[in-house]
Amino acid sequence: DGGITQSPKYLFRKEGQNVTLSCEQNLNHDAMYWYRQDPGQGLRLIYYSQIVNDFQKGDIAEGYSVSREKKESFPLTVTSAQKNPTAFYLCASSLSGAPNEKLFFGSGTQLSVL
Amino acid sequence: DQQVKQNSPSLSVQEGRISILNCDYTNSMFDYFLWYKKYPAEGPTFLISISSIKDKNEDGRFTVFLNKSAKHLSLHIVPSQPGDSAVYFCAATPLDNNDMRFGAGTRLTVKP
Repeated sequence: DGGITQSPKYLFRKEGQNVTLSCEQNLNHDAMYWYRQDPGQGLRLIYYSQIVNDFQKGDIAEGYSVSREKKESFPLTVTSAQKNPTAFYLCASSLSGAPNEKLFFGSGTQLSVL
Repeated sequence: DQQVKQNSPSLSVQEGRISILNCDYTNSMFDYFLWYKKYPAEGPTFLISISSIKDKNEDGRFTVFLNKSAKHLSLHIVPSQPGDSAVYFCAATPLDNNDMRFGAGTRLTVKP
């Protein structure tokens, strides 16, 4: 079954701690994305990558970092610099990254601060 | 700066009736519009889209209407079914750069 797998489903972060959210896809898509969802708001783009070893900042990249060493994987690190990390995080992919392509989403990771 | 707005957080309709979900946008550079559907504990899935050169796109029970002059689009579901109960997100993007914007979503409940 092709799809996007996010792990873990739930994650807790202590003050000053960095945490990493995993995102893997077996759809052979070139482009991958990370979005953040807060209550009452639309999804906001954190980072996206259209090709291995290259990525661009979205609207709210501050306090986050990503890597794209393999086509299948796009992990997101929430650093201690992100002062309000509690949110629902969604990873997505698309075939080539063209603006009008539909996105395929994972099931999300809920991050909370202890 | 919410460029895409879904002003109704929730909507409840009776099974068999029409569901109409609305979406407004402010950026005249948006050229392509999409609707996604999200069930609890799952990621959003693509439902239907429309290009700005069209004013209507239909796929089975789902029809999206676009009114560019009013910067408004709507999703019609006819007839509504209990399995349609989900959160529906509207999204919009220009075609010359990767800048897709999402609305906050409307929770649709279809009652049997």
